[in-house]
Amino acid sequence: EPEVTQTPSHQVTQMGQEVILRCVPISNHLYFYWYRQILGQKVEFLVSFYNNEISEKSEIFDDQFSVERPDGSNFTLKIRSTKLEDSAMYFCASVKGSDRSNEQFFGPGTRLTVL
Amino acid sequence: SQKIEQNSEALNIQEGKTATLTCNYTNYSPAYLQWYRQDPGRGPVFLLLIRENEKEKRKERLKVTFDTTLKQSLFHITASQPADSATYLCALEGGGGSYIPTFGRGTSLIVHP
Repeated sequence: EPEVTQTPSHQVTQMGQEVILRCVPISNHLYFYWYRQILGQKVEFLVSFYNNEISEKSEIFDDQFSVERPDGSNFTLKIRSTKLEDSAMYFCASVKGSDRSNEQFFGPGTRLTVL
Repeated sequence: SQKIEQNSEALNIQEGKTATLTCNYTNYSPAYLQWYRQDPGRGPVFLLLIRENEKEKRKERLKVTFDTTLKQSLFHITASQPADSATYLCALEGGGGSYIPTFGRGTSLIVHP
């Protein structure tokens, strides 16, 4: 069964460094999302992406964050200058077709640790 | 501001019983509500979606109800099994033309053999 994949599974970085988290959504999916989950807290929406542009973004998704779909398969989240509070699990998700109410398929996540 | 409340205390039940989890919300009129399962260290897994004009949805041992007057959704697992032990999240979306999914903190379910 097709699944969303994410790399790396764990990323450790120093405060102030740039990180790029990678996701490969399911191939015929059209909507893509990034979420984060700080340990012990709720899943928080960051951004959704459709038709090569940002569809919605939350207050968390400030100018330190950016997303890109550089080719037909990868979907990346870049954090330009990481802060301690960026430490969290980051999940990518994708939706089949253009109906956002369709089932979201989540990836296994990338654990980001900022030291 | 929008608020979603799920029982923060873990729900402990015996195998074979029906588990009922609650999701309450305020200051929100979602177009639909979703329930997810999340295991420790893993991503959420979609279970069911119910729209604002639907009262009830079923899938195998799962049942979801949605009361937009009470602003509440109930999630039931019948004939529960130890393998059902996980955290269950509700998420609301589509209110006021915004499609920003808002998740609750989740309720931990523990099914004892």
